[in-house]
Amino acid sequence: GENVEQHPSTLSVQEGDSAVIKCTYSDSASNYFPWYKQELGKRPQLIIDIRSNVGEKKDQRIAVTLNKTAKHFSLHITETQPEDSAVYFCAERRTYKYIFGTGTRLKVLA
Amino acid sequence: DTAVSQTPKYLVTQMGNDKSIKCEQNLGHDTMYWYKQDSKKFLKIMFSYNNKELIINETVPNRFSPKSPDKAHLNLHINSLELGDSAVYFCASSQTTGDHGRQPQHFGDGTRLSIL
Repeated sequence: GENVEQHPSTLSVQEGDSAVIKCTYSDSASNYFPWYKQELGKRPQLIIDIRSNVGEKKDQRIAVTLNKTAKHFSLHITETQPEDSAVYFCAERRTYKYIFGTGTRLKVLA
Repeated sequence: DTAVSQTPKYLVTQMGNDKSIKCEQNLGHDTMYWYKQDSKKFLKIMFSYNNKELIINETVPNRFSPKSPDKAHLNLHINSLELGDSAVYFCASSQTTGDHGRQPQHFGDGTRLSIL
């Protein structure tokens, strides 16, 4: 199929808690999985990515895990802060094409 | 030093009109894209060009005609605008050759199109 399933569609967490967003893809040939953050009225911006030959990648409070067997990948944000509030998109790369998930609206409550 | 720049930022026009959106990237990327983001925030690919060649055309009405004069530019012309065309249109670019194409896309700031 053409879709990347992304869950949950909305997520509210208390400041300082962790947030996890999960995506499932369908094409076993997909080789690259970026995550984008989109603040209100702004463009999507890359926050972290993972290549198909890697299982986990971390950058400060953000980490991404990839399970190729199950075709799952997840974004983990620890010690959330109010400025983490945004819409997050996962994506998978197929040849010449990036397929995006439907987005997760994250609200971090102060 | 904007990497991907698109103009205009806002476009308000009447139904039935024809309008164009322009996009330029200074990253030296070989591939450019147009996306439509509707009110539900879903990012849907419309077109992709690799080195000026159309490689993706995703069931978009033929009122939408992309044009890539060179690999740094990808413009979008829309004829006979309809109410359902109201959305934010994002241009993006990426480098497809090298590292098996495992490179991120860089997005422009978007063009908010409102049809009256």
